[in-house]
Amino acid sequence: IQLTQSPSSLSASVGDRVTITCRASQGISSYLAWYQQKPGKAPKLLIYAASTLQSEVPSRFSGSGSGTDFTLTVSSLQPEDFATYYCQQLNSYPLTFGGGTKVEIK
Amino acid sequence: EVQLLESGGGLVQPGGSLRLSCAASGFTFSSYAMSWVRQVPGKGLEWVSGISGGGSTYYADSVKGRFTASRDNSKNTLYVEMNSLRAEDTAVYYCAKAFSYGGAYWYFDLWGRGTLVTVSS
Repeated sequence: IQLTQSPSSLSASVGDRVTITCRASQGISSYLAWYQQKPGKAPKLLIYAASTLQSEVPSRFSGSGSGTDFTLTVSSLQPEDFATYYCQQLNSYPLTFGGGTKVEIK
Repeated sequence: EVQLLESGGGLVQPGGSLRLSCAASGFTFSSYAMSWVRQVPGKGLEWVSGISGGGSTYYADSVKGRFTASRDNSKNTLYVEMNSLRAEDTAVYYCAKAFSYGGAYWYFDLWGRGTLVTVSS
């Protein structure tokens, strides 16, 4: 299953609302996760089951969608949110990740 | 402290072999599935392999037949034996702890810092 993220990069300002899209090549129910990765660091789980917020992740992060179309939204971008974001599908093997969306400071 | 610590990376020639280890601490290792995920520096994430708590294994097509994942629950350690290495296997290799939810088994909630494998002559 291929995951296509869009955009591949974006520039935004602190306080902006940011939305990242992940589209699956076939239906994956709600078996989708979102991760944040900062340079030189391991990925960090933000959202699982498409819309469930991982423990200790700020509530400004939210996820939605099912089937083939999913979104990750950051309601008010903070300085620490500038990073690369990846979606991951767990519906079938091989597990796959999207190509990533780099969120940069405008 | 809950953590994963990878080791065993390094420089290896094409066609060579390497074994990576991942030492787990702070949680009941045997109760969780584990995975290896790799990342070419500057590129995206690629799932490599997974192993259930009971030892069932799963592989990406790109490594099937060349990589073997295993675990020693008595030592709280995950391994991957990598054979017939190719230049395209060069990457940072992360181990990750998985949890299950709602019928899916591979949400990764804990990651190690990674170990770099370089395949070059």
